[in-house]
Amino acid sequence: DSGVTQTPKHLITATGQRVTLRCSPRSGDLSVYWYQQSLDQGLQFLIQYYNGEERAKGNILERFSAQQFPDLHSELNLSSLELGDSALYFCASSPSLVDDREKLFFGSGTQLSVL
Amino acid sequence: AQTVTQSQPEMSVQEAETVTLSCTYDTSESDYYLFWYKQPPSRQMILVIRQEAYKQQNATENRFSVNFQKAAKSFSLKISDSQLGDAAMYFCAYDMNYGGSQGNLIFGKGTKLSVKP
Repeated sequence: DSGVTQTPKHLITATGQRVTLRCSPRSGDLSVYWYQQSLDQGLQFLIQYYNGEERAKGNILERFSAQQFPDLHSELNLSSLELGDSALYFCASSPSLVDDREKLFFGSGTQLSVL
Repeated sequence: AQTVTQSQPEMSVQEAETVTLSCTYDTSESDYYLFWYKQPPSRQMILVIRQEAYKQQNATENRFSVNFQKAAKSFSLKISDSQLGDAAMYFCAYDMNYGGSQGNLIFGKGTKLSVKP
């Protein structure tokens, strides 16, 4: 168990809908990352938050947004869903110590199926 | 842009034997991190080993070791005394060691490792 909690584990929805994925980082970790794993694109970095502020953006679509709350949990919002958004979405967190910031601990993921 | 290439989509090893997974990467940076992550059927991404580019010594973690060739931009993973529990997808990943970019990993496509009893 990595200590990173993601809910829900599975999500089935229809095209055009909006969903919210939730992540609780490991205790004490200030950074949260979102990744998408799909058959077509592989594992891709989407976005990073550090202590409530957006730190870096990757290949995140404009239909997707995220935020990190004061209690450090994070939510990834996916809207106007398309079939191609079906994927496994990972959240990860990292320690705040300078030497360990790049060590990512991943949650077990949310499997999104858009029908 | 940085890229990571894993040229072996699938590999197979006999239990108790040794196997090496290959990874090459492309970057113009001199300071970065390289990783191997394991993804078993449970889908959990598990950090196997980490290598810092400025360190010449190859990283080791129990039965796992790497062969880091910075000039050749090569980063292979050796698994010794393979166990059935090693069966998984293995991903090579690159992270630029620069400010807020730490943790924004670039992954290879993965190598599926099978372990035969």
